Amino acid sequence: EVLLVQSGAEVIKSGESLRISCKGSGYSFTSYWISWVRQMPGKGLEWMGKIEPSDSYTSYSPSFQGHVTISADKSISTAYLQWSSLKASDTAMYYCARLPKDGRADFWGRGTLVSVSS
Amino acid sequence: IVLTQSPGTLSLSPGERATLSCRASQFITSRYLAWYQQKPGQAPRLLIYGASNRATGIADRFSGSGSGTDFTLTISRLEPEDFAVYYCHQYGSSPITFGQGTRLEIK
Repeated sequence: EVLLVQSGAEVIKSGESLRISCKGSGYSFTSYWISWVRQMPGKGLEWMGKIEPSDSYTSYSPSFQGHVTISADKSISTAYLQWSSLKASDTAMYYCARLPKDGRADFWGRGTLVSVSS
Repeated sequence: IVLTQSPGTLSLSPGERATLSCRASQFITSRYLAWYQQKPGQAPRLLIYGASNRATGIADRFSGSGSGTDFTLTISRLEPEDFAVYYCHQYGSSPITFGQGTRLEIK
């Protein structure tokens, strides 16, 4: 069974750093991209970027380039999304999703809720 | 590529047919257009990919069609569990983009 298990909810203060994770199982982790998607409260889906775990090649949406860093550790089948300095406007649910070569998001994690207080 | 979904909200009754539209600001190769369903408190679920291919385990009342800049998701006979938000998604051009969503609600 394909699973993407995301780390738990975070409550964090503005200006602090954070890294959340997404662990894949039930498939060959290096054969699929991992994408990160933001959903702000009551809003739609926004694609942030993706990583190819086999070589850690990344591609970012211009809206998020420079604000977040996507990385992966293929030895433990885990992808990461990190911020160096969070803002209140980063409060959102963050989903990871698996992408086959054609790019569709065929399996999703349950999401990590990040709440940033000012 | 900007994806514009219409209507924003669709109010229908169980058993009725639902037609959801997704219009792209530029040409999209059909193989790179998908639809997702999202229920409250849940992650999105892939329904359709390549404009018209049902994902594994998706009921055959869901169908996708279209090409170029106009795409449609049709639900032939609505079941109670189909009331949710639906998003279209293009993944052929960078940056990848989603539509703003159509909320399908019970009339």
